[in-house]
Amino acid sequence: NAGVMQNPRHLVRRRGQEARLRCSPMKGHSHVYWYRQLPEEGLKFMVYLQKENIIDESGMPKERFSAEFPKEGPSILRIQQVVRGDSAAYFCASSPRTGGSGANVLTFGAGSRLTVL
Amino acid sequence: TQLLEQSPQFLSIQEGENLTVYCNSSSVFSSLQWYRQEPGEGPVLLVTVVTGGEVKKLKRLTFQFGDARKDSSLHITAAQTGDTGLYLCTAYNNAGNMLTFGGGTRLMVKP
Repeated sequence: NAGVMQNPRHLVRRRGQEARLRCSPMKGHSHVYWYRQLPEEGLKFMVYLQKENIIDESGMPKERFSAEFPKEGPSILRIQQVVRGDSAAYFCASSPRTGGSGANVLTFGAGSRLTVL
Repeated sequence: TQLLEQSPQFLSIQEGENLTVYCNSSSVFSSLQWYRQEPGEGPVLLVTVVTGGEVKKLKRLTFQFGDARKDSSLHITAAQTGDTGLYLCTAYNNAGNMLTFGGGTRLMVKP
């Protein structure tokens, strides 16, 4: 009964390094969402992907951030040249279909906590 | 931009007390969801409300969707320490392709 798997759970990087966060959606789910959560705050949408396609990246910073969801393998959120402000918890969620319906439920992973020194 | 405003932001109460938290917006939503997030974990869905005026009960939790489908409330009766967590209301954006989250209500129930 594997849910949404995220790794690493904790990642420490120095300023200027790259961070790669991975997300394996639930079995049968082809829609993946990435959210960022700063301490003491709610979740902010970053990007929504289906297999091999970015559907909505309106919440993703234009520079240094990228996401992919290849045909095979997990979804990857990549942050290049990290800065201290990138320190946050990054959550991935998956769903079996696109949203808009009350019946569509997102299942979240436990998150990846990035600390930039 | 659709905004979900949650209040209060923080709430600290004693075990056994009742409480209500609110989620308000100027936008109309086709549905609204409540999640709870515990420290170090991802959010977990509690309920989805769809119909204006709808009331759903989940044990000691009562969820209400406003008649105009712009707001919602969560009432907890006889709070327990296990209710401690971050309560998030969410709704789909106009394009229907992603959830917008409110800022959350951080609840602390003290023994």
